[in-house]
Parts: sequence; C-alpha cells; structure tokens
Amino acid sequence: GENVEQHPSTLSVQEGDSAVIKCTYSDSASNYFPWYKQELGKGPQLIIDIRSNVGEKKDQRIAVTLNKTAKHFSLHITETQPEDSAVYFCAASNDYKLSFGAGTTVTVRA
Amino acid sequence: DGGITQSPKYLFRKEGQNVTLSCEQNLNHDAMYWYRQDPGQGLRLIYYSQIVNDFQKGDIAEGYSVSREKKESFPLTVTSAQKNPTAFYLCATGGVGGNQPQHFGDGTRLSIL
Repeated sequence: GENVEQHPSTLSVQEGDSAVIKCTYSDSASNYFPWYKQELGKGPQLIIDIRSNVGEKKDQRIAVTLNKTAKHFSLHITETQPEDSAVYFCAASNDYKLSFGAGTTVTVRA
Repeated sequence: DGGITQSPKYLFRKEGQNVTLSCEQNLNHDAMYWYRQDPGQGLRLIYYSQIVNDFQKGDIAEGYSVSREKKESFPLTVTSAQKNPTAFYLCATGGVGGNQPQHFGDGTRLSIL
C-alpha cells in the first residue's frame, strides 16, 4: 500500500518568515495530493491540493509543488502569521483512499 | 465544516460496551469515510461508503462496524472487540470515485472509563 512520510515533525518560524513542509510517497500510481490544516480540537481543513498533471499550484500565501519523478511534494507558506500555527498533514491518493503523513506541528513566533 | 455534524463531541465507554458515533452531512456528497487519529500519527481509514447500502473496510476495520441506510448518515459503532478504542474519530465526505477532495467534521473524542 501507499506509504507517506512527512518532515519535519515540528517547525518553529518567526512571524513573516517562510515555512516549508516536505512529503514523500511510495506508490507511483498516486495522482492526487491534498494538504490539510488541523487546529486543536477541530477536524482537518483542506487548504490546497494538486493533481499529478500539475507541477505547482498557488493560492495566496500557500503553494504546493510536486515532483513525480522523485515522488515528493512540498507545502510552502510565505509571510507566516500567528494564525498559521497548527498541525499540517499531507496525503496521497490513487483512488478512493487517502494515505496521510504523520503531521507537522507549525508554531509561528510573534 | 458546518455541513458535516459529528456527535457527541466527547464520549466515554465502559468495558464490554458498544458505543455509536454519529455523522450527518448536508453537502449531498455520495461518499463518506471514518478515520481514526491517534496522537502524533496521521489519520487511518476505518470504513468508507461510496453509495447507500454499501460500504467497505479500510485499513483498521477490526472492532468497528458501520451502516449506510441514508445518504446523509454514516454511523460508526465501536464494539467491545476493539481493545484500544481511545482516539479521536473523524468523519469525512466527498464525491464518488477516486481523487475527490474530502471534507472533515470536527470529530468525536472517545475515552475509556
């Protein structure tokens, strides 16, 4: 089955700096890669996703890049703000099932 | 997500007891999913359903059961056979077929008394 690895597990950044989270996947058939943000006591919220026919996608301060050859994808958050503090999960899918990474706890220092 | 309602928010189970977690949606999504989340881990799929009256096991279905009698509802029962039920349970919905975005409810936290 699909195995998704996510790094780092924790990330602390100064407000205004950028944050980067990286994920690798094992199944070359995977072709859909969503990213979720989870705040304490809440369910994950979809923040951006990318499909395998696209190399990069951007939405305001967040962007995702995908390298299918290397089987890795990354989330980039620019100009971080305190409200970006949360746990972020990457996932990969080649059909109905999402396989999730273990999560990255991001802390934005004021 | 206001369109997906999970209840209760907190639930306690006694030894030997079955408990049922509710998930209701008004997003008109065909597919519904149950995930389990443990501290420091990603989400793991328990069961999923792509159509009414049909459902399939996920990666960790042992000790759990589901039903899908209505499009809007997908309850999860944690049976006494599940020996380590303490976790955060998340319900999600999405379109039918592969590679559709999934949207999550706010979860039910289950603990053992």
